[in-house]
Amino acid sequence: GAGVSQSPSNKVTEKGKDVELRCDPISGHTALYWYRQSLGQGLEFLIYFQGNSAPDKSGLPSDRFSAERTGGSVSTLTIQRTQQEDSAVYLCASSLVGQGGSYGYTFGSGTRLTVV
Amino acid sequence: SQQGEEDPQALSIQEGENATMNCSYKTSINNLQWYRQNSGRGLVHLILIRSNEREKHSGRLRVTLDTSKKSSSLLITASRAADTASYFCATSLFGNEKLTFGTGTRLTIIP
Repeated sequence: GAGVSQSPSNKVTEKGKDVELRCDPISGHTALYWYRQSLGQGLEFLIYFQGNSAPDKSGLPSDRFSAERTGGSVSTLTIQRTQQEDSAVYLCASSLVGQGGSYGYTFGSGTRLTVV
Repeated sequence: SQQGEEDPQALSIQEGENATMNCSYKTSINNLQWYRQNSGRGLVHLILIRSNEREKHSGRLRVTLDTSKKSSSLLITASRAADTASYFCATSLFGNEKLTFGTGTRLTIIP
C-alpha cells in the first residue's frame, strides 16, 4: 500500500482479555518494527522483523506479548491477559533495509489501546 | 534507558522566530534521525544525518551533528503554526537496524 496501515485505530478492552493489533507495511519494505508510547513519553522499542524472522525481540516486556509476521508482509502483535499498564499507543513502522537503520522509518498512525 | 535525550522538554515561541532543539546520546552511532509527531500518533521522518556528516539542510530545517560531544541540534527557521508538534531524535548503531528514540521536545508556535 501507499503507507503503513494499522488496525484498529482505537481499542478498549477489559483487563484480562487478549488483544490483537495489526500492521500492514509498505509493499517492498522488508523491515518492520513495533514500538509503544505511553502518554507523554518517548517511544519504547518492542520487536524488529526482517522478513518473517525477528532478529531482535528484546523489547517485549513480558511473555504476555508476542508478535508474528507472515509472508514478509502483515504483522500481528498479540497481548494476552491485558493489564492496565499495557495502555498505550502501539506504533508500527516499516523501512527498507540498509546498514544500521540507514533508511528512515515510515510509521503508521498507531493503535491506541485502553485497558479498563 | 533512552539513547537520546532531547532538550528542552518543551519550547514555546512566536510564529516567525527560529526554534532550536538539542539531542544528546550516549554511544557511537551510525546515523541520527529527527522525526515529528502530531497529536500523539504516527511519526514523520524529517531528516537523517550520518556519523561522518556535520551539517545537513532540508527546506527550513538545519541539523548539525557533533560526534565528539555526542550531540545534535535541529533548527527550524521562520516557524509556522503548523510546526507545532513533538520532535524526536533517534539514533542508529552500526550493524543494527533498530532506532532508539529520545524523549522528545514539545514545540508550540504561538500565532
